[in-house]
Amino acid sequence: GQQLNQSPQSMFIQEGEDVSMNCTSSSIFNTWLWYKQDPGEGPVLLIALYKAGELTSNGRLTAQFGITRKDSFLNISASIPSDVGIYFCAGQLSGGFKTIFGAGTRLFVKA
Amino acid sequence: EAGVTQFPSHSVIEKGQTVTLRCDPISGHDNLYWYRRVMGKEIKFLLHFVKESKQDESGMPNNRFLAERTGGTYSTLKVQPAELEDSGVYFCASSQAGRGSLYNEQFFGPGTRLTVL
Repeated sequence: GQQLNQSPQSMFIQEGEDVSMNCTSSSIFNTWLWYKQDPGEGPVLLIALYKAGELTSNGRLTAQFGITRKDSFLNISASIPSDVGIYFCAGQLSGGFKTIFGAGTRLFVKA
Repeated sequence: EAGVTQFPSHSVIEKGQTVTLRCDPISGHDNLYWYRRVMGKEIKFLLHFVKESKQDESGMPNNRFLAERTGGTYSTLKVQPAELEDSGVYFCASSQAGRGSLYNEQFFGPGTRLTVL
């Protein structure tokens, strides 16, 4: 079945630093998604990408849908303590129902 | 507007017992999904309901798991009998859009943490 390889598993950074995480797959996806999960909560959608090559921003977050449709990255600029959490990449095939998730990147930000 | 709610938030049971998890989707959302995350691993798709019908149950691990959505509103996921490897966080999500939509955002509940001893 489809699998997403997400890296790194965890990151420890200083407040103000930029962060980059990425996701690769052996399968092609029609949609790439990035979610964030805070402790005790469910994942919340940050960015959705629909087209190969698409670059989308949401505040300090920027994500790109790889040109091969098999990868995506998420950048966070000027990190702040509330960026702490688990970030998941996810892919969807056509129809947009079943969602395949990566294992997550746990981000720690030191003030 | 209320989000997706799940009950209970935590459940600790012994191997061989039965547990039933409940999910209340956002009102008006026809699509309801169950996912599971085993510690440190990916969030894995279990199944998808459209109203009361199972649209895709390809992710259900085995026949010890039974999901229902009678009346097309809330859903239950029963595990009977529970095994140690069933431990994890069970998420429910719901979405509004129908087939053919470019994208339908799935809104997740806070999850039920299941521990099987």
